[in-house]
Parts: sequence; C-alpha cells; structure tokens
Amino acid sequence: SQQGEEDPQALSIQEGENATMNCSYKTSINNLQWYRQNSGRGLVHLILIRSNEREKHSGRLRVTLDTSKKSSSLLITASRAADTASYFCATGLGFGNEKLTFGTGTRLTIIP
Amino acid sequence: GAGVSQSPSNKVTEKGKDVELRCDPISGHTALYWYRQSLGQGLEFLIYFQGNSAPDKSGLPSDRFSAERTGGSVSTLTIQRTQQEDSAVYLCASSPGTRLGYTFGSGTRLTVV
Repeated sequence: SQQGEEDPQALSIQEGENATMNCSYKTSINNLQWYRQNSGRGLVHLILIRSNEREKHSGRLRVTLDTSKKSSSLLITASRAADTASYFCATGLGFGNEKLTFGTGTRLTIIP
Repeated sequence: GAGVSQSPSNKVTEKGKDVELRCDPISGHTALYWYRQSLGQGLEFLIYFQGNSAPDKSGLPSDRFSAERTGGSVSTLTIQRTQQEDSAVYLCASSPGTRLGYTFGSGTRLTVV
C-alpha cells in the first residue's frame, strides 16, 4: 500500500512560475525524501528532510515538513522546461532500515 | 561502476515463461532494493537486502517472485510462470547505509504477452 499520497496528481504551469506539490503520509517517520522521475524510468534523489526539521532548501527547491499534520510540500521556484517530470515523495523509518515507501506521484508539466 | 546498472533494459516474454532481471549496484553499497512500477503508478516495494541480514521479502506479490543477492553485490530478481499482470518497469536501487537516499538504476521494462 502507498504510504504517501501526492497532491495534485497533475500540475501544469507556465515557465518561470513556482510549482508546489504536497505529500501526506499516515505513520510516524524518521525522514521524508523527494525524487524526480523522467520518462518513466529511474528516479533521481532530490532532497531529504528529517523528522526534526521543518524546512530545507537546495537550489531552487524548498521542502517543508509538518509532522503534526503528517504532510510535506515541495516548492520549485522559477520553473524551467527541464523541470517537467513526475515527482514522488518517499518516507523512511530510519534506525538502520532504509526501506522507503513511495507515494503516487505528481506529474508536473512546465509550459514554455 | 559509477551508477546502478540494470539489465536487460527491455524484456518481452510470453505468458508462462520465467524471466531473470539483473541489478549491479554501486560498489560498496550495502543496501539493495527492488521496486516495480506499473504504468502511471507509484513504486511498489518488492524486496530489500541489507548487508548480511536476512532480506525483507514482505513486498513480493506471490511465490512466483524470488530474488537473491550474491556476494553482497549483484542481485537477480526471478519471476516464474510470468503473467500479464507482471508487466511493469522493475527498478533497482542501492544505498551506502551510511547516509540516506537511494541511487536508482534505469529499470527493466517487462512486457508479458
């Protein structure tokens, strides 16, 4: 079963705009990660946030985590055509077990 | 190698045949994972190897599925008596165990006809 549910399922925005994707999960976690997938193949790790962190930045990416609401958001600022991809959140329990449970993904399309 | 290598990249097989999918993880990565992704869906966990520990097989959908990891490196996922519902992209990932985050291979697209 999917631990994470992304919202929206699909998002289309104009190039240069900001894109926000949300992820909700059900159980307590140690960390939450975001991945990008192009062309339905291998995923690329983007950013990780631990359960004791509230916000993290990496380049044009900003991730927030609200453990009280069991939710996270991924913000991509100043979007580019190359950001077109599917984005997945994944939750981990940590403590030596790195198995991740992935959400259903958000399909992001950047319109040039 | 520099990345996670999976072979074959594409496999078409007839219903009822057995298939073997191979994953060559990043050298030194102690953890190896298999997931599958059906068209337009999220990733479904299959199996997880961590060092010399017994693998976590909790995600294998039936006893037709098995996997092994030899010498703590290369892994093979075997599907016996394939069915059409086995058609999916099978993704392998590895991680070093000292930090979090996976490195994925490009996957094997399996089509059962």
